Order: sequence, then C-alpha cells, then structure tokens
Amino acid sequence: DAKTTQPTSMDCAEGRAANLPCNHSTISGNEYVYWYRQIHSQGPQYIIHGLKNNETNEMASLIITEDRKSSTLILPHATLRDTAVYYCIVRDDYTGTASKLTFGTGTRLQVTL
Amino acid sequence: SQTIHQWPATLVQPVGSPLSLECTVEGTSNPNLYWYRQAAGRGLQLLFYSVGIGQISSEVPQNLSASRPQDRQFILSSKKLLLSDSGFYLCAWSVWLAGRTDTQYFGPGTRLTVL
Repeated sequence: DAKTTQPTSMDCAEGRAANLPCNHSTISGNEYVYWYRQIHSQGPQYIIHGLKNNETNEMASLIITEDRKSSTLILPHATLRDTAVYYCIVRDDYTGTASKLTFGTGTRLQVTL
Repeated sequence: SQTIHQWPATLVQPVGSPLSLECTVEGTSNPNLYWYRQAAGRGLQLLFYSVGIGQISSEVPQNLSASRPQDRQFILSSKKLLLSDSGFYLCAWSVWLAGRTDTQYFGPGTRLTVL
C-alpha cells in the first residue's frame, strides 16, 4: 500500500499558485519524498524530490515540514498545461542499486481559466 | 541527454496471443530498468526491475515475463495474453549514484488492449 495520503482532487485558477498537500506520517529517516505528475495518456513526469530541506527547481517547489510527516508541492503560476494527476510518493524500498516506487491514486489537479 | 523509447505506442491483441513490448534507453550506461502497468483508472504497479544484463526481479507473479538482452534494452513478454493484461505499460530508467538517491524517468508508454 502507498504510504501517502493526498486529496482526491483540487481546482486552481490559471496564474495562481497551486498548493498540493501530502501526508506521510510514517516516513522514516532515510526515505525521500518524490513528486510525479501524469498528464492524460502519457507517462509520469518527474517533478521534484526531497529528503529534509525544502527544494526548488524550474518546475516547482517542495516544502517539507520539520517533522517530515507532510509536504506541499507548489506550482507557483499554474497554467492549463499543469492539469494532471499529481503523485506524492515515499520511496519505500531501496535495494542499494534500484529503487521501487509505489504509486497511490494521487491528486487530480484541474487548472481553470 | 537521456531519452527512453517504447514501442509500439498502441496495441490490440486477441486473447491467447503472444506479446512483446520493447523499451530502449539512450544516453546513459548501465541503467536500472523498470516495467510498470497501469490498469484503467488505477495507479501504477511495478511489475519487474533489472539492475543489469540478464538480471530480472519480479514483483508480481503473473502471466508476464521480462528480459534484458542488452544493457539498454528491456523487453516485456507473454506467451498467452489474458483479458486482464489490458492496460498502459510503462518503462522507466534510473541511475544510482553512490551517496545519492536515484530518480526514475518514464517512457511514453504502450497502451495494450486485449480482446
């Protein structure tokens, strides 16, 4: 089972910031938080990941709480192209050379005009 | 830069027919390779992963098998398809760097319909 909890769906107006929450209360100290998104009928797209510190890249920002039990993905200026299902994943198994990702059902983000 | 290819993009096959899906990666060496399946309206399920040529780990016992004949080639096969094999099949790659986490990057997928 996925180790994360996300809202089923969210709406965001174009141009506004989209804040997608994720709860991962059972995360352990060496587990990373990953975010992917999947636009309809395409393969998942990597967005960002983090361990303890907040992270930012050209796509988004990841805010991780100090206790690491939750995180928020921020799309600073959402566009219609950001409409997708967003997956928050805690990497729950690591063999040392290959990681395994367990995908839940994610959050369906709808960006509207 | 690295790219990942999957083919075919779509496939319609009758029940009981064989299956071969191919995935190739360019621009990297000795990648970890993964096969996932996404049933309609569901999340992704890891099927197989490989850390090297000829090395296959199976996550879910089922009607499918995987092979890695070359460093950057990963093949998903079945001898006899079932209706329940329908879905969106995704290949992914990653490279593990010592002291750092590895990130998986996904291909465009193959949509398989078994009739």
